[in-house]
Amino acid sequence: DAKTTQPPSMDCAEGRAANLPCNHSTISGNEYVYWYRQIHSQGPQYIIHGLKNNETNEMASLIITEDRKSSTLILPHATLRDTAVYYCIVRRRYTGNQFYFGTGTSLTVIP
Amino acid sequence: EAGVAQSPRYKIIEKRQSVAFWCNPISGHATLYWYQQILGQGPKLLIQFQNNGVVDDSQLPKDRFSAERLKGVDSTLKIQPAKLEDSAVYLCASSLGLRGAAQETQYFGPGTRLLVL
Repeated sequence: DAKTTQPPSMDCAEGRAANLPCNHSTISGNEYVYWYRQIHSQGPQYIIHGLKNNETNEMASLIITEDRKSSTLILPHATLRDTAVYYCIVRRRYTGNQFYFGTGTSLTVIP
Repeated sequence: EAGVAQSPRYKIIEKRQSVAFWCNPISGHATLYWYQQILGQGPKLLIQFQNNGVVDDSQLPKDRFSAERLKGVDSTLKIQPAKLEDSAVYLCASSLGLRGAAQETQYFGPGTRLLVL
């Protein structure tokens, strides 16, 4: 599975959009991009995933560049409850569904 | 829908003692995973089950760690004897486990926080 690179930490003002970048320059054509987050003392929580197209759900939007070498997770209106560590994971299709987590981005939403 | 259940939530033991963790996955989920998360790091997969069979245990330290899922539902993870470096959060996750699925979402439990003194 391709390696991902994320900034170790970010701040965002409450009510503003939080844009979390992820670099996956070695991604191959059959690898998906997943985002999970982990709030303190809880297990990781699924947010969104995509292959080529941009995706949106009730939690967030995922923007994948045309060359698929990077992506951005967008939380449109960050709240204090969005303070968490966000993990970007690249996973190959049909590989037993295993996830390889990096160290993620620690997002702090500031009042 | 009930989520992944784990117990206990916290455990403190002395080194060389043994400890066991329990996981009950989401109903109907065939695939179950155990992860180890050391402070400041992302979760690392220890073992993956498909029903009651092991799919991958390449990262499991088999000299001291063992896991089973005898009836294909609940699972236990055991450490015997524990070392100081085993202090971590042990996370259980499950997914549907549909054969041939290109990708599946994993759902995680709250984890068991282990401290080895």
